[in-house]
Amino acid sequence: SQELEQSPQSLIVQEGKNLTINCTSSKTLYGLYWYKQKYGEGLIFLMMLQKGGEEKSHEKITAKLDEKKQQSSLHITASQPSHAGIYLCGAEKTDSWGKLQFGAGTQVVVTP
Amino acid sequence: NAGVTQTPKFQVLKTGQSMTLQCAQDMNHNSMYWYRQDPGMGLRLIYYSASEGTTDKGEVPNGYNVSRLNKREFSLRLESAAPSQTSVYFCASSERYEQYFGPGTRLTVT
Repeated sequence: SQELEQSPQSLIVQEGKNLTINCTSSKTLYGLYWYKQKYGEGLIFLMMLQKGGEEKSHEKITAKLDEKKQQSSLHITASQPSHAGIYLCGAEKTDSWGKLQFGAGTQVVVTP
Repeated sequence: NAGVTQTPKFQVLKTGQSMTLQCAQDMNHNSMYWYRQDPGMGLRLIYYSASEGTTDKGEVPNGYNVSRLNKREFSLRLESAAPSQTSVYFCASSERYEQYFGPGTRLTVT
């Protein structure tokens, strides 16, 4: 099965600072999804990447998929308290569209 | 537009008891999913339904059954609950890529 490793497991960042979360796969990724979860709530879709080298941005969040399609990064610029939460990457399995396998998540804490 | 709704929000069961988790979506999506979330393990797919009348096993289907009652509703049943099924359960739906998640059901089995 495709394993997704997320790093770091957790991080504390001062408001206004940048942060990066990584998601690494042992196999080629076909459809890489980034979700955000606030404590006690469901997941909110952020972005989806499919092509090697693809990069997408939404507000202050940028996600990239490397050329080999085995690693993705999520970068937040000038973090704000609203960026706090758990970020999860999910990968589409090659044999079954729509069925996602998720990483363990990265907990982000933003301090004043 | 409520999106994806789940009931109940919280539940405590004793070992051996049964219960059904309900999920409904009002976005006319074909695909629906049940996940469980455990600390340090992310989300794991239990069952999914690509369309009304079809269901398929995910990564961790043992101990669970599902019913796709109609296009809107997808229920998850625990026939004989075990402490290992203590978890947070999420339902999701999608049409193509983006999956929309419900708020979750926090289940404790004692």
